[in-house]
Amino acid sequence: GAVVSQHPSRVICKSGTSVKIECRSLDFQATTMFWYRQFPKKSLMLMATSNEGSKATYEQGVEKDKFLINHASLTLSTLTVTSAHPEDSSFYICSASRGGQLQGEQFFGPGTRLTVL
Amino acid sequence: LAKTTQPISMDSYEGQEVNITCSHNNIATNDYITWYQQFPSQGPRFIIQGYKTKVTNEVASLFIPADRKSSTLSLPRVSLSDTAVYYCLADYNQGGKLIFGQGTELSVKP
Repeated sequence: GAVVSQHPSRVICKSGTSVKIECRSLDFQATTMFWYRQFPKKSLMLMATSNEGSKATYEQGVEKDKFLINHASLTLSTLTVTSAHPEDSSFYICSASRGGQLQGEQFFGPGTRLTVL
Repeated sequence: LAKTTQPISMDSYEGQEVNITCSHNNIATNDYITWYQQFPSQGPRFIIQGYKTKVTNEVASLFIPADRKSSTLSLPRVSLSDTAVYYCLADYNQGGKLIFGQGTELSVKP
């Protein structure tokens, strides 16, 4: 149990286009989902916290108009990278929390590799 | 959120026990200590979590002294497939956000 999927696993796009990444909790309801980005050989950096039915909370330095997050249901959150540029190329990872059961466990998706040409 | 410090890298050989220590001097009363494992181009995987003393599961043990200012992840008899980055986190996590430190890159050699 507690599987989180991401789609697509890898995407290549042209500069200036927008890219949507989906994060789904497959066998549990996730009241909270988190989005991270990770550059090569670096640690995960939290971008935003997404709660179902409400606006996302962005970490300092993360542009909310650049990285649009929607958490429309208890099993789906989306991250849209708008007007992507080469510097947005990164590994994007989502996680989902069940909250209240096994305290502290977050379940991570497999990640999405974004390459902007 | 408690700041954690762990070694940047460690080397080991197959079959050995590996202990990775993490310091979290400013850990708060409600904070739990959680360890994750990450392989290249994959999302992190939960390994173990504890609050105090010792916790053991099928893959690892976690030792936490009484003052809780540090913790040690113990991997028994590592294999080549245990080569990965290991992250230690310490925060009050009731569905709360996780802040990752630099992690420890473990390299297991034949």
